[in-house]
Amino acid sequence: AQRVTQPEKLLSVFKGAPVELKCNYSYSGSPELFWYVQYSRQRLQLLLRHISRESIKGFTADLNKGETSFHLKKPFAQEEDSAMYYCALHGNSGNTPLVFGKGTRLSVIA
Amino acid sequence: GAVVSQHPSWVICKSGTSVKIECRSLDFQATTMFWYRQFPKQSLMLMATSNEGSKATYEQGVEKDKFLINHASLTLSTLTVTSAHPEDSSFYICSASKPDSGNTIYFGEGSWLTVV
Repeated sequence: AQRVTQPEKLLSVFKGAPVELKCNYSYSGSPELFWYVQYSRQRLQLLLRHISRESIKGFTADLNKGETSFHLKKPFAQEEDSAMYYCALHGNSGNTPLVFGKGTRLSVIA
Repeated sequence: GAVVSQHPSWVICKSGTSVKIECRSLDFQATTMFWYRQFPKQSLMLMATSNEGSKATYEQGVEKDKFLINHASLTLSTLTVTSAHPEDSSFYICSASKPDSGNTIYFGEGSWLTVV
């Protein structure tokens, strides 16, 4: 069964502090992992995907197949990073939907 | 990036009436679209997978007769909430799979439905 677990509902950090949003997954094959961000009253936006291995807005995420994790990290949080962050999994069999974690609300305190 | 648009952005309807939400892929053809609902402060829950020209595949627990999905063209899928009740009030989000981008999924802006 496909499952994405985000253990933290809320994460509060001070501006300039490092951030790590945890994500673990369960999938029998080789999935594609994503992080999506949802700012207040805006649509869901793709933040990054593991296959591109790029850094967006200072965020990075490394797929650890051994630990089945895809944690999102940023060395120095900014106030504008405050948002809901969703980890998502995409199976590798054709047009399959994304499976989302429950999301973590990041609050960056000035 | 590709654009997926939903209409209306928000709608209020009376209990017992039906309401239709449209999802359009504006600059690409989407053979597959997905409908989610999101309750306040909760994650997105997949309702159904909509395939162009065929019947939608509904997730367990989603009433197909209540949430009618039509995907008649490669750029349009519609979700009709029939005989709406207050508990159907939610944020409905569609997404579309873009075939020539490795099936990257793009999201619409969502539609707020309030049933009074």
